[in-house]
Amino acid sequence: KAGVTQTPRYLIKTRGQQVTLSCSPISGHRSVSWYQQTPGQGLQFLFEYFSETQRNKGNFPGRFSGRQFSNSRSEMNVSTLELGDSALYLCASSITGTANTEAFFGQGTRLTVV
Amino acid sequence: GESVGLHLPTLSVQEGDNSIINCAYSNSASDYFIWYKQESGKGPQFIIDIRSNMDKRQGQRVTVLLNKTVKHLSLQIAATQPGDSAVYFCAEKTTGAGSYQLTFGKGTKLSVIP
Repeated sequence: KAGVTQTPRYLIKTRGQQVTLSCSPISGHRSVSWYQQTPGQGLQFLFEYFSETQRNKGNFPGRFSGRQFSNSRSEMNVSTLELGDSALYLCASSITGTANTEAFFGQGTRLTVV
Repeated sequence: GESVGLHLPTLSVQEGDNSIINCAYSNSASDYFIWYKQESGKGPQFIIDIRSNMDKRQGQRVTVLLNKTVKHLSLQIAATQPGDSAVYFCAEKTTGAGSYQLTFGKGTKLSVIP
């Protein structure tokens, strides 16, 4: 069974640009969550999608957005990139996203903003 | 297990000894508490979880202890092996809007000395 797949693995962007990251969940998993990991702030929750609907959102500015497709694949977009957006972006999938289900993480996309 | 900026607390353990990693949490309303292991270049990997109405749970070579009175969580690894070297995160599962989000601690780096 394939794990959570995130693409691309590495990305370098310039300040002011926008970026789209992709996440393919484990087959059969309908919940996809996104997290940002930085040395200073650690792992922080961005948002969670289930059946193409955003159910939960963390404390990030509106420049961070996401969506989920009917096949459960998800994308997140960051517009007007800032240097502080440099981070490892992690996607996690679970069957339903309810409290008794486990989240499986992908390897992440390393975004560097220069 | 709290960190300050880039400097994660580090625990160095001799191979074969037992390791204890500690974590303080903040939300008394969390339903589950989880330990994740993150190796370099990989996403967090689930180790073990414990429901909030329990105080101890054992897995293979790992035990999680939960003390709700002082909001403290610990992970015990028996007979630590070189492959256990990684950063360990505790996380709280907080439910809302039909889903959950994970709130992570800053992490503790475990180094196993062969």
